[in-house]
Amino acid sequence: QLQLQESGPGLVKPSETLSLTCTVSGGSISSSSYYWGWIRQPPGKGLEWIGSIYYSGSTYYNPSLKSRVTISVDTSKNQFSLKLSSVTAADTAVYYCQWSSGSDFDYWGQGTLVTVSS
Amino acid sequence: SYELTQPPSVSVSPGQTARITCSGDALPKKYAYWYQQKSGQAPVLVIYEDSKRPSGIPERFSGSSSGTMATLTISGAQVEDEADYYCYSTDSSGNLSVVFGGGTKLTVL
Repeated sequence: QLQLQESGPGLVKPSETLSLTCTVSGGSISSSSYYWGWIRQPPGKGLEWIGSIYYSGSTYYNPSLKSRVTISVDTSKNQFSLKLSSVTAADTAVYYCQWSSGSDFDYWGQGTLVTVSS
Repeated sequence: SYELTQPPSVSVSPGQTARITCSGDALPKKYAYWYQQKSGQAPVLVIYEDSKRPSGIPERFSGSSSGTMATLTISGAQVEDEADYYCYSTDSSGNLSVVFGGGTKLTVL
C-alpha cells in the first residue's frame, strides 16, 4: 500500500531554514504525469498550498512564499523535500506532503507539526 | 491574488442533503476538487475534476460546477460526514498556482 511519511525537525528557530523530507513507500515516484507537493495548516486554520514540483522538474510556488521556498525531488531515494528559509512564528503549522496525478491518484502523508520558536 | 470563497459553516440533520459551495472567478475554466478533513487527520480527496468520485468514496458524495461556483453535495448526510471540507483549484493565469478555499465546517446533528 502506498504511503507517504514526512520527517524533519519539529522545532525550528526563527530566521533559520525549515527542512522536511517526504519518503514514499509501497511504490516508485519515478512516474510521469504526476507531481509532488507540500501543503501546510497552521493550528486551528485552513489549508495553504506551499508549492509543487512536476515530473518534468518544473516547480510552482505559492506567490506569498515563493522567495523562501524550494521543493526538490530525489527519485533515486523515492523522496521529495521542502526547504523554507527565514522562518517566523507565522510558519508554525502542520506540514503535509502530497503525491498526485491531478485526478483520482492522490496520496497525502499524515502530516508533521513544525513549531518555530526560540 | 486568486481566492476561492466557501461558507464557514453548514449544518444539517442526519439524512438531509448538505450542499457546500465554492466560488471563484476561474472556475468556469478550471476544475474544482474537494477534500474532506476530519479532526486530527490528513485531508482525503472526495471529488476531483468537478464531479468525479474516487474509488472508495460513498455515492452520497457528488460534485457539480456551473459558472463561477462549484458545489459539493452530500445526499443523505451521515454523522460520520461531519468534518471540514475544502475546495481546491488553480488560477487561470497559466502558472499552475493552486488555491484552497477557506474551508467549511459541516455539522451533522
